[in-house]
Amino acid sequence: GQSLEQPSEVTAVEGAIVQINCTYQTSGFYGLSWYQQHDGGAPTFLSYNALDGLEETGRFSSFLSRSDSYGYLLLQELQMKDSASYFCAVSTPDSNYQLIWGAGTKLIIKP
Amino acid sequence: DAGITQSPRHKVTETGTPVTLRCHQTENHRYMYWYRQDPGHGLRLIHYSYGVKDTDKGEVSDGYSVSRSKTEDFLLTLESATSSQTSVYFCAISEPGQGVNIQYFGAGTRLSVL
Repeated sequence: GQSLEQPSEVTAVEGAIVQINCTYQTSGFYGLSWYQQHDGGAPTFLSYNALDGLEETGRFSSFLSRSDSYGYLLLQELQMKDSASYFCAVSTPDSNYQLIWGAGTKLIIKP
Repeated sequence: DAGITQSPRHKVTETGTPVTLRCHQTENHRYMYWYRQDPGHGLRLIHYSYGVKDTDKGEVSDGYSVSRSKTEDFLLTLESATSSQTSVYFCAISEPGQGVNIQYFGAGTRLSVL
């Protein structure tokens, strides 16, 4: 079957750096996306990686290694407002434009 | 923000009653999706649509039906609501291409089936 694995919860300190990992097992691969969801809110798109390497957008960066079927989201200079759940999602050639979703990682930030 | 409106935002209903949730978009995106989100399960796809009158099932479609008679509207119907359908329902839209599928979500509908 097709699956994505990410940690259920990560704890970090305000101002620090945190990495949220995502490993995937899919038949085919187009790209890896990351979404953020605050409690009570809707998921919002953060980043997309189709090629190996690091993509940086402000304090957030996303990395992909296609050979390792692995990616991560890196959050720097953590702020309390970064407390949220983060979901990775994969698009594949077989999925007819559905996304395969991870179960989400709850990021807890302590002052 | 992508123009996506879900209605109602909250609904309480009784077991056995029919319920229809509406998703309305102003972005003219071809693809629309209905998800449910429950603790510990992340986002699970119920149904999706790739054009007017073109729909397909997702992984948790049992007990749900959908209709898309106009590009901008995607309706989700619970024919006879059950307590297991208590959940938060999200609509999403996208205009995928070349493998890229960025989805934009509505604010969600919180449904309680008593």
